[in-house]
Parts: sequence; structure tokens; C-alpha cells
Amino acid sequence: DAGVTQSPTHLIKTRGQQVTLRCSPISGHKSVSWYQQVLGQGPQFIFQYYEKEERGRGNFPDRFSARQFPNYSSELNVNALLLGDSALYLCASTRSGANVLTFGAGSRLTVL
Amino acid sequence: DAKTTQPTSMDCAEGRAANLPCNHSTISGNEYVYWYRQIHSQGPQYIIHGLKNNETNEMASLIITEDRKSSTLILPHATLRDTAVYYCIVSKGGATNKLIFGTGTLLAVQP
Repeated sequence: DAGVTQSPTHLIKTRGQQVTLRCSPISGHKSVSWYQQVLGQGPQFIFQYYEKEERGRGNFPDRFSARQFPNYSSELNVNALLLGDSALYLCASTRSGANVLTFGAGSRLTVL
Repeated sequence: DAKTTQPTSMDCAEGRAANLPCNHSTISGNEYVYWYRQIHSQGPQYIIHGLKNNETNEMASLIITEDRKSSTLILPHATLRDTAVYYCIVSKGGATNKLIFGTGTLLAVQP
């Protein structure tokens, strides 16, 4: 079975630009979460979606937004990029009723 | 803020057991203890979780103290591939609860 897939794996943007990151969960998983991991720190929770509804949001500015599609895939959008947005963005999925997350390999964003 | 305290780093000899401690003195009755690890440049990987009983799976064992204020993750025969950052997390169960990661313990398995 395919795991959680994320795209793109690496990307470089400049300050002020916008970025969209994509995530496909494991088949049958209805919950998708997004995390940001800055170098040297643990992952920080950004969003959680369950059955296409936002169920949780971390302490991130409104420049960060996300959505979940009918097939349970998800997109994370970040507008007006700042240098501090440079990080590994991780997507994770889980089955209904479980809190065991399966993470993807992440999308590494560099903002210049 | 993370609800757990872990040592910053630990060393272990290859083939020996690795015992990773975690303090979670403010854990509430309906919170589980989860362990994940992150090998360099990869996403975190689930290892094991438990509520109050000791748990064992093919990867590791989890020992939770009777008062639930601390726990130990045991890798019975560490290999070089077990070198990673190990995160201890307390969280309620269910698919809609977020995980709060701390900085974890960097376990270095030495040949």
C-alpha cells in the first residue's frame, strides 16, 4: 500500500510569493494533519481536517490556510511568504477513531 | 508547550538495549503516551503508545509507571538504523486530537 505522499518534495520561493503544498493520505484515512518543522525543532501543528472539515488549528497566522477535498487529499497554502516560513512541511493521515499518525516524507520549502 | 520532558541526547552501543526516559508529570487520566521517532530527513514514524499498561510490539516496549508520571521506551537490541530523534508525546486518543512535539531525544547508536 502507498503511504502518505506529498508534493513537491523540495521547492524554493522568494519572499512575498505564495506556495501550495499537496498531500495524499493513505487509502481509507479520512483525517489529514499538517505540521511545520523548522530546523532543529520538533514538528509544530498547523491544521487538522477530518471529513473535509477543519477540526483544529495551531498558532499560525492567517497567511496559512488549508482544505481537504472529497477524496480526502489536502492542500496547504501559504501566502506572502516570509524567510521564517522556510521549513519542512509534513502531512500526516490517520483512520477514523485513531490517533496514530502516518507521516509523509515532507515538502522542504526554502524562502529566499 | 510540550507536556513532556526528555533528555536532549543519549548514546547506546549497537546490540544493547536502549532505554529512553520521559517525564510527563501533568498527564491527565484520559491521555495516552505516544512515542514517535524521526530519522534524519524523513517524516516521523509511529513506534508505540499506551494508556497505563505496559505495551510491546515488534519495534519496542513501553513501560509506564504506576502513577503514570513517567515512562520508558525500550529498544531491545539497538542497531545503527535506530539512530534518530525520539519524541515522547502525551495526547488524548481519537482522530481529531493534535500531537504536540517537543525537541525529543537524539539517540546515537554507536558501532
